[in-house]
Amino acid sequence: DSGVTQTPKHLITATGQRVTLRCSPRSGDLSVYWYQQSLDQGLQFLIQYYNGEERAKGNILERFSAQQFPDLHSELNLSSLELGDSALYFCASSEGGGLDYGYTFGSGTRLTVV
Amino acid sequence: LAKTTQPISMDSYEGQEVNITCSHNNIATNDYITWYQQFPSQGPRFIIQGYKTKVTNEVASLFIPADRKSSTLSLPRVSLSDTAVYYCLVAISGNTPLVFGKGTRLSVIA
Repeated sequence: DSGVTQTPKHLITATGQRVTLRCSPRSGDLSVYWYQQSLDQGLQFLIQYYNGEERAKGNILERFSAQQFPDLHSELNLSSLELGDSALYFCASSEGGGLDYGYTFGSGTRLTVV
Repeated sequence: LAKTTQPISMDSYEGQEVNITCSHNNIATNDYITWYQQFPSQGPRFIIQGYKTKVTNEVASLFIPADRKSSTLSLPRVSLSDTAVYYCLVAISGNTPLVFGKGTRLSVIA
């Protein structure tokens, strides 16, 4: 157990639908990062939150959004889903300040859009 | 962000030492070198991080020459369970998003 909890582990939904992925960071970590991993694209950075505020944005589609709540857990919302959104979605957390000895990843949510 | 180049794949027999070299010619003064390991359908796992010279932990060693334009991850006496993708990343440590490349797919053969 890495200390980063992602739910659900698996999700199957239809095109056009909306889903929410949840991430609880490791205790004490202030930063949360979301990544998407598909077979042809590798690990793609989507977005980062630090202590409730958006810190950095990567290749995140406009149909996707995220937020980090006061208790530091984060949610990634995916809407108007397309077949190409099928992927593994990972959340990672880090302390967020000073020297970090690596980021801790969760076990991921496998999203299948049918 | 400094671009990294590493071999797409490597094969090794069990019990051998494996060295994976990563080049990062444009590394900046504040950048650290970090390696991650990823098994299929699992999140990447931090292996080791260094700034210069040599770093060793219970899993691996990281060799960084003086010019820091490359680094070598050394895995001693690999086993079948070391079969995974290994990513080399270069970034300013602390609160910055990691950008992953394609990584090196290591296959350990019995």
